[in-house]
Amino acid sequence: SAVISQKPSRDICQRGTSLTIQCQVDSQVTMMFWYRQQPGQSLTLIATANQGSEATYESGFVIDKFPISRPNLTFSTLTVSNMSPEDSSIYLCSAEVKNIQYFGAGTRLSVL
Amino acid sequence: QKEVEQNSGPLSVPEGAIASLNCTYSDRGSQSFFWYRQYSGKSPELIMFIYSNGDKEDGRFTAQLNKASQYVSLLIRDSQPSDSATYLCAAGGGYQKVTFGIGTKLQVIP
Repeated sequence: SAVISQKPSRDICQRGTSLTIQCQVDSQVTMMFWYRQQPGQSLTLIATANQGSEATYESGFVIDKFPISRPNLTFSTLTVSNMSPEDSSIYLCSAEVKNIQYFGAGTRLSVL
Repeated sequence: QKEVEQNSGPLSVPEGAIASLNCTYSDRGSQSFFWYRQYSGKSPELIMFIYSNGDKEDGRFTAQLNKASQYVSLLIRDSQPSDSATYLCAAGGGYQKVTFGIGTKLQVIP
């Protein structure tokens, strides 16, 4: 398994600002993922972050809005840029260990 | 578009009963299947994974997979109020992207 530390756990931000979410894994992993979960909805994959390569974004998500870094095998960040109220959501990072995804505690973001 | 479908519920069962949660998936190439439990305000927590047709048991939980019918289920025996949560079914993994269902909300009534 994997223990994933994600921070911040929650934040309230102003429209037009940016927030960077950090995700630290307790072991080296190849694949990390960033999801968004709206209230009452399932998980929507934003992008896959592999160390040493550019993140792969899903349809509807772009790098300018959600830049991702993956500097090593235990760490990744997701930035939510130029935020609007529509970005209010829970953001989750996950890491894959032996074909199984484990999740961080999530970041609850509110944009005013 | 790969899809994983679940009834959103809520599914209400009395304490001590068997809860049966079901899921279908569209991609016949899916090889791995997962059940996650998500308490309100918390992140998903892995309950079971299954790769082969048939049943897999772990304590009070049994996962069932039928690839011919593209059907996955989770049985929870002796349901407890602490089992009340949303259960997410997921398919994929490895070199395949994992697709999550919307989740079934389970309510165990004391």
